[in-house]
Amino acid sequence: GNSVTQMEGPVTLSEEAFLTINCTYTATGYPSLFWYVQYPGEGLQLLLKATKADDKGSNKGFEATYRKETTSFHLEKGSVQVSDSAVYFCASGGGGGATNKLIFGTGTLLAVQP
Amino acid sequence: DAGVTQSPTHLIKTRGQHVTLRCSPISGHKSVSWYQQVLGQGPQFIFQYYEKEERGRGNFPDRFSARQFPNYSSELNVNALLLGDSALYLCASSPTDFRDTFEKLFFGSGTQLSVL
Repeated sequence: GNSVTQMEGPVTLSEEAFLTINCTYTATGYPSLFWYVQYPGEGLQLLLKATKADDKGSNKGFEATYRKETTSFHLEKGSVQVSDSAVYFCASGGGGGATNKLIFGTGTLLAVQP
Repeated sequence: DAGVTQSPTHLIKTRGQHVTLRCSPISGHKSVSWYQQVLGQGPQFIFQYYEKEERGRGNFPDRFSARQFPNYSSELNVNALLLGDSALYLCASSPTDFRDTFEKLFFGSGTQLSVL
């Protein structure tokens, strides 16, 4: 079945450091890929998305590129801020076997220190 | 505009009891999905409803059931609670059930269920 694997956390960085959170997927068909963010006590918020190979999703300084050849969708940010501290989830949706549900990775806790 | 609202926010039950969780979608949204998020893991899909009909079901036992009402609100019911049912239960709403509306999928803050 479809699955999403992302790097385990926690990831601890100093403010203004470069961030990479790795994510790979397996799927039948061609899913859309997403990064969601969850702040403490809140629900999931869509951070960015990409719907086909080579698409780059971007939002709030975060970027991720849909790489079909490596089945990856790594999240990057050039300069993190303390306010970016949260749990980040990689997810796939709409692939050949799952048209109406999201499949999430286990989440990566990011802690940014001033 | 109000977002997806869930009630209650926290709930404590004992093993063997039954629980009902409630979700009100964003106005105009006709699809509701339920996810279970166990501590330290990603959310797992439980159900999706659209126009009061079940459109998808995840790999959960029959103790889990749900329904959608004419006003598009939804209930998730869990019978014979087990310790392992302790989790954050998230509801999400979207305008339709089509795959291209993932970007219009909005999550509530969840109901934290603790089973003792």
